[in-house]
Amino acid sequence: GAGVSQTPSNKVTEKGKYVELRCDPISGHTALYWYRQSLGQGPEFLIYFQGTGAADDSGLPNDRFFAVRPEGSVSTLKIQRTERGDSAVYLCATALAGPADTQYFGPGTRLTVL
Amino acid sequence: AQSVTQLGSHVSVSEGALVLLRCNYSSSVPPYLFWYVQYPNQGLQLLLKYTTGATLVKGINGFEAEFKKSETSFHLTKPSAHMSDAAEYFCAVSDRGGSNTGKLIFGQGTTLQVKP
Repeated sequence: GAGVSQTPSNKVTEKGKYVELRCDPISGHTALYWYRQSLGQGPEFLIYFQGTGAADDSGLPNDRFFAVRPEGSVSTLKIQRTERGDSAVYLCATALAGPADTQYFGPGTRLTVL
Repeated sequence: AQSVTQLGSHVSVSEGALVLLRCNYSSSVPPYLFWYVQYPNQGLQLLLKYTTGATLVKGINGFEAEFKKSETSFHLTKPSAHMSDAAEYFCAVSDRGGSNTGKLIFGQGTTLQVKP
């Protein structure tokens, strides 16, 4: 079956611009996670959705970052006023129901802020 | 707060040799433990995980890991390395308990090089 997909695969933007990153989960998966992976580092947790609601957003670095999942399926990570330090690979992972289930990762979106 | 330490950012082995990738965690309560592999330009793939029960866990591609509570370790091993094992390996943990959201805390990663 289809895995987690993320679009775009690459995004280049200029400092100060707004970007949106999309995640399409595995069908039927209610849990969705966003992580950020900087060069040479392990992924860092950003936000967790259970259904439509953000159950844990403790990893969002500041209020420029926001994520939504309005219908409990596709999620969009939104970054306002991008900064060069936001450059990273943004990973989405989904799980069948919740915390005890295996997370399946998408290929990521590589964001470059010039 | 939980943390994960992977000893050795780069490990090089010869094809056919033993693979040993080290992972230690810091947590007040033994967490769930995971190993993920990341091939170039691909997403993270779960190799194995420990939640409960037998402390020696077998995963895909011939890998296994042993949870040692006394050493707070979850080292990954494979008896005989194959060229296709060359990749980045990440150890991760997540909380147990009612407040657990499943968020993963990752180590820095270890790059495995396999020499012919």
